[in-house]
Amino acid sequence: NAGVTQTPKFRVLKTGQSMTLLCAQDMNHEYMYWYRQDPGMGLRLIHYSVGEGTTAKGEVPDGYNVSRLKKQNFLLGLESAAPSQTSVYFCATARTSGGELFFGEGSRLTVL
Amino acid sequence: RKEVEQDPGPFNVPEGATVAFNCTYSNSASQSFFWYRQDCRKEPKLLMSVYSSGNEDGRFTAQLNRASQYISLLIRDSKLSDSATYLCVVNKNSSASKIIFGSGTRLSIRP
Repeated sequence: NAGVTQTPKFRVLKTGQSMTLLCAQDMNHEYMYWYRQDPGMGLRLIHYSVGEGTTAKGEVPDGYNVSRLKKQNFLLGLESAAPSQTSVYFCATARTSGGELFFGEGSRLTVL
Repeated sequence: RKEVEQDPGPFNVPEGATVAFNCTYSNSASQSFFWYRQDCRKEPKLLMSVYSSGNEDGRFTAQLNRASQYISLLIRDSKLSDSATYLCVVNKNSSASKIIFGSGTRLSIRP
Protein backbone atom coordinates (compact mmCIF):
# COMPACT_ATOMS: atom_id res chain seq x y z
CA ASN A 1 0.00 0.00 0.00
CA ALA A 2 1.48 3.28 -1.10
CA GLY A 3 -1.05 5.41 0.80
CA VAL A 4 -0.82 8.92 -0.62
CA THR A 5 1.69 9.57 -3.38
CA GLN A 6 2.63 12.97 -4.76
CA THR A 7 4.49 13.64 -7.98
CA PRO A 8 6.78 15.32 -8.65
CA LYS A 9 8.68 15.63 -5.37
CA PHE A 10 10.72 18.63 -6.55
CA ARG A 11 10.30 21.12 -9.34
CA VAL A 12 11.83 24.42 -10.38
CA LEU A 13 9.79 26.67 -12.62
CA LYS A 14 10.29 30.01 -14.26
CA THR A 15 7.73 32.73 -13.73
CA GLY A 16 4.83 32.26 -16.12
CA GLN A 17 5.32 28.54 -16.68
CA SER A 18 2.57 26.07 -15.93
CA MET A 19 2.65 22.73 -14.20
CA THR A 20 0.47 20.08 -12.59
CA LEU A 21 0.98 18.27 -9.31
CA LEU A 22 -0.57 14.83 -9.04
CA CYS A 23 -1.86 13.28 -5.85
CA ALA A 24 -2.78 9.60 -6.00
CA GLN A 25 -4.29 7.60 -3.14
CA ASP A 26 -5.07 3.93 -2.71
CA MET A 27 -6.98 4.34 0.56
CA ASN A 28 -10.41 4.74 -1.05
CA HIS A 29 -10.94 8.00 0.83
CA GLU A 30 -13.63 10.40 -0.29
CA TYR A 31 -11.96 13.59 0.96
CA MET A 32 -8.84 14.98 -0.64
CA TYR A 33 -7.05 18.26 0.04
CA TRP A 34 -4.23 20.38 -1.28
CA TYR A 35 -2.31 22.48 1.24
CA ARG A 36 0.69 24.74 1.01
CA GLN A 37 3.17 25.18 3.83
CA ASP A 38 5.31 28.27 4.17
CA PRO A 39 7.83 29.13 6.93
CA GLY A 40 6.20 30.52 10.06
CA MET A 41 2.72 29.75 8.83
CA GLY A 42 0.44 26.82 9.33
CA LEU A 43 -0.66 24.66 6.47
CA ARG A 44 -3.14 26.61 4.39
CA LEU A 45 -5.89 24.97 2.39
CA ILE A 46 -5.81 25.69 -1.34
CA HIS A 47 -8.61 23.51 -2.68
CA TYR A 48 -10.38 20.39 -1.55
CA SER A 49 -12.73 17.71 -2.79
CA VAL A 50 -15.45 15.79 -0.97
CA GLY A 51 -15.77 13.14 -3.66
CA GLU A 52 -15.17 12.20 -7.27
CA GLY A 53 -16.17 14.98 -9.61
CA THR A 54 -16.37 17.66 -6.90
CA THR A 55 -13.96 20.44 -6.00
CA ALA A 56 -14.19 23.50 -3.80
CA LYS A 57 -12.06 26.50 -2.89
CA GLY A 58 -10.16 26.69 0.33
CA GLU A 59 -8.44 29.59 2.06
CA VAL A 60 -5.89 30.48 -0.65
CA PRO A 61 -7.22 29.30 -4.04
CA ASP A 62 -6.05 32.16 -6.29
CA GLY A 63 -3.61 31.10 -9.00
CA TYR A 64 -4.48 27.40 -8.68
CA ASN A 65 -6.97 25.05 -10.28
CA VAL A 66 -7.87 21.49 -9.40
CA SER A 67 -9.64 18.49 -10.84
CA ARG A 68 -10.89 15.22 -9.42
CA LEU A 69 -12.00 13.15 -12.39
CA LYS A 70 -11.25 9.88 -10.62
CA LYS A 71 -11.75 9.14 -6.94
CA GLN A 72 -8.13 8.19 -6.44
CA ASN A 73 -6.53 11.22 -8.09
CA PHE A 74 -6.55 14.91 -7.20
CA LEU A 75 -4.62 17.24 -9.51
CA LEU A 76 -3.38 20.71 -8.62
CA GLY A 77 -2.54 23.02 -11.51
CA LEU A 78 -0.60 26.26 -11.67
CA GLU A 79 -1.54 28.05 -14.88
CA SER A 80 1.05 30.82 -14.71
CA ALA A 81 3.51 30.33 -11.88
CA ALA A 82 4.58 33.27 -9.73
CA PRO A 83 7.44 33.53 -7.20
CA SER A 84 4.80 33.82 -4.44
CA GLN A 85 3.85 30.23 -5.22
CA THR A 86 7.24 28.96 -4.09
CA SER A 87 6.27 26.61 -1.30
CA VAL A 88 5.96 23.03 -0.13
CA TYR A 89 2.70 21.51 -1.29
CA PHE A 90 1.04 18.68 0.59
CA CYS A 91 -1.80 16.51 -0.52
CA ALA A 92 -3.93 14.88 2.16
CA THR A 93 -6.83 12.47 2.26
CA ALA A 94 -9.42 11.60 4.88
CA ARG A 95 -12.16 9.04 5.25
CA THR A 96 -14.48 11.56 6.90
CA SER A 97 -14.59 15.35 6.94
CA GLY A 98 -13.51 15.61 10.56
CA GLY A 99 -11.24 12.61 10.65
CA GLU A 100 -7.55 11.91 10.55
CA LEU A 101 -5.65 13.39 7.64
CA PHE A 102 -3.15 11.24 5.77
CA PHE A 103 -0.51 13.25 3.96
CA GLY A 104 1.69 12.65 0.99
CA GLU A 105 5.42 13.30 1.30
CA GLY A 106 5.15 16.79 -0.13
CA SER A 107 6.22 18.51 -3.32
CA ARG A 108 8.80 21.30 -3.14
CA LEU A 109 8.17 23.92 -5.79
CA THR A 110 10.48 26.83 -6.53
CA VAL A 111 9.40 29.57 -8.92
CA LEU A 112 12.23 31.80 -10.16
CA ARG B 1 -5.60 37.33 15.75
CA LYS B 2 -4.84 33.91 14.29
CA GLU B 3 -7.57 31.31 14.59
CA VAL B 4 -5.11 28.80 16.05
CA GLU B 5 -2.03 30.04 17.86
CA GLN B 6 1.01 28.19 19.07
CA ASP B 7 4.27 29.26 20.66
CA PRO B 8 6.76 28.62 17.84
CA GLY B 9 9.55 27.71 20.28
CA PRO B 10 12.05 26.24 19.93
CA PHE B 11 11.74 24.37 23.18
CA ASN B 12 15.15 22.92 23.94
CA VAL B 13 15.02 20.38 26.78
CA PRO B 14 17.27 17.59 28.03
CA GLU B 15 16.46 13.96 27.42
CA GLY B 16 14.22 12.59 30.15
CA ALA B 17 12.58 15.92 30.90
CA THR B 18 8.88 16.64 30.85
CA VAL B 19 7.74 19.29 28.43
CA ALA B 20 4.35 20.81 27.76
CA PHE B 21 2.99 23.25 25.24
CA ASN B 22 -0.36 24.80 24.60
CA CYS B 23 -2.38 25.84 21.64
CA THR B 24 -5.17 28.41 21.78
CA TYR B 25 -8.09 28.62 19.38
CA SER B 26 -10.45 31.51 18.77
CA ASN B 27 -13.68 29.84 17.68
CA SER B 28 -15.65 28.61 20.67
CA ALA B 29 -17.77 26.41 18.39
CA SER B 30 -14.76 24.30 17.37
CA GLN B 31 -15.60 20.64 17.57
CA SER B 32 -12.55 18.45 17.13
CA PHE B 33 -8.92 18.83 18.01
CA PHE B 34 -5.74 17.04 17.12
CA TRP B 35 -1.99 17.06 17.59
CA TYR B 36 0.12 16.21 14.55
CA ARG B 37 3.85 15.65 14.50
CA GLN B 38 6.03 16.84 11.65
CA ASP B 39 9.66 15.84 11.32
CA CYS B 40 12.05 18.10 9.45
CA ARG B 41 11.26 18.10 5.72
CA LYS B 42 8.62 15.40 6.16
CA GLU B 43 4.86 15.28 6.06
CA PRO B 44 2.68 15.76 9.16
CA LYS B 45 1.40 12.63 10.84
CA LEU B 46 -1.34 12.28 13.43
CA LEU B 47 0.05 12.03 16.95
CA MET B 48 -3.23 11.94 18.82
CA SER B 49 -6.76 13.21 18.88
CA VAL B 50 -7.82 15.39 21.81
CA TYR B 51 -11.04 14.44 23.51
CA SER B 52 -13.09 16.43 26.01
CA SER B 53 -12.10 14.03 28.75
CA GLY B 54 -8.45 14.21 27.79
CA ASN B 55 -6.46 11.26 26.57
CA GLU B 56 -3.17 9.57 27.16
CA ASP B 57 -1.03 7.46 24.88
CA GLY B 58 2.10 6.21 26.57
CA ARG B 59 4.29 9.20 27.39
CA PHE B 60 1.93 11.63 25.69
CA THR B 61 -1.07 13.29 27.30
CA ALA B 62 -3.45 15.68 25.57
CA GLN B 63 -5.98 17.89 27.32
CA LEU B 64 -8.79 20.13 26.14
CA ASN B 65 -9.97 23.18 28.07
CA ARG B 66 -13.08 24.49 26.36
CA ALA B 67 -13.68 27.27 28.87
CA SER B 68 -10.29 28.84 28.15
CA GLN B 69 -10.19 27.63 24.54
CA TYR B 70 -6.88 25.83 24.53
CA ILE B 71 -5.49 22.36 24.11
CA SER B 72 -2.27 21.10 25.59
CA LEU B 73 0.27 18.39 24.92
CA LEU B 74 2.44 16.94 27.66
CA ILE B 75 5.41 14.73 26.88
CA ARG B 76 6.96 12.83 29.77
CA ASP B 77 10.40 11.21 29.84
CA SER B 78 11.28 12.87 26.53
CA LYS B 79 13.41 10.97 24.04
CA LEU B 80 15.79 12.24 21.38
CA SER B 81 13.32 10.87 18.82
CA ASP B 82 10.64 13.28 20.12
CA SER B 83 12.49 16.15 18.42
CA ALA B 84 10.04 17.46 15.85
CA THR B 85 7.52 20.19 15.21
CA TYR B 86 4.13 19.66 16.84
CA LEU B 87 1.13 21.03 14.98
CA CYS B 88 -2.12 21.88 16.67
CA VAL B 89 -5.14 21.25 14.44
CA VAL B 90 -8.67 22.47 15.07
CA ASN B 91 -11.73 21.48 13.09
CA LYS B 92 -14.29 24.26 13.44
CA ASN B 93 -17.43 22.35 12.59
CA SER B 94 -16.44 18.98 11.13
CA SER B 95 -16.52 20.56 7.69
CA ALA B 96 -13.85 19.62 5.20
CA SER B 97 -12.95 23.26 4.66
CA LYS B 98 -12.75 24.23 8.33
CA ILE B 99 -9.61 22.39 9.39
CA ILE B 100 -7.22 25.00 10.76
CA PHE B 101 -3.54 24.31 11.41
CA GLY B 102 -1.38 26.13 13.90
CA SER B 103 2.06 27.12 12.68
CA GLY B 104 3.68 24.57 14.98
CA THR B 105 5.88 24.38 18.05
CA ARG B 106 9.42 23.21 17.49
CA LEU B 107 10.82 20.82 20.09
CA SER B 108 14.46 19.84 20.32
CA ILE B 109 15.60 17.19 22.80
CA ARG B 110 19.28 17.30 23.70
CA PRO B 111 21.31 14.35 25.04
